[in-house]
Amino acid sequence: KQEVTQIPAALSVPEGENLVLNCSFTDSAIYNLQWFRQDPGKGLTSLLLIQSSQREQTSGRLNASLDKSSGRSTLYIAASQPGDSATYLCAVLRRETSGSRLTFGEGTQLTVNP
Amino acid sequence: NAGVTQTPKFRILKIGQSMTLQCTQDMNHNYMYWYRQDPGMGLKLIYYSVGAGITDKGEVPNGYNVSRSTTEDFPLRLELAAPSQTSVYFCASSYDSHNSPLHFGNGTRLTVT
Repeated sequence: KQEVTQIPAALSVPEGENLVLNCSFTDSAIYNLQWFRQDPGKGLTSLLLIQSSQREQTSGRLNASLDKSSGRSTLYIAASQPGDSATYLCAVLRRETSGSRLTFGEGTQLTVNP
Repeated sequence: NAGVTQTPKFRILKIGQSMTLQCTQDMNHNYMYWYRQDPGMGLKLIYYSVGAGITDKGEVPNGYNVSRSTTEDFPLRLELAAPSQTSVYFCASSYDSHNSPLHFGNGTRLTVT
């Protein structure tokens, strides 16, 4: 059974700081890993999707890495802004005999202070 | 550019009542999903569909039913509401199962008392 863990559960940083969010998973037989952002009272917004054959993906100030062998992914946010405040979730799409299953972590709640 | 639209946004039900949570997407996605999100439990998959006329159970299907008569719509039915079904429900869609990101609606917050 795939388990996805995100540490820390909450993080508070001053504006302008570079930061790293962590995601670990127990089963390396994955199709892809996705990072999402969730604002209060809203749905999830996909930020980055990394295929199992890729090492990293970048979008603007965001960079996500994937190390399947160690079961880890990181989301790097450069020059953080108050508008980055949200909960960040990672999700791993695992191969199963009957198809695939997406397993979510519980998220890291990020607060960027002006 | 609506994406995934869920209605209603909020609902309060009494135990034993029934209701349908509506979900529609305008991106011509084949894959659609229903998740529930509970504090400390993360998101759990209730049901999913790989195309019109095809549905399958996820991790926590008990107490729910779905149908997929069109590509656009994927309603979730609660027949006999129970307090354990108090949660936030999210509908999501994707173009395919392995290579495309999920697109989520804004959720329905359901309280059963």
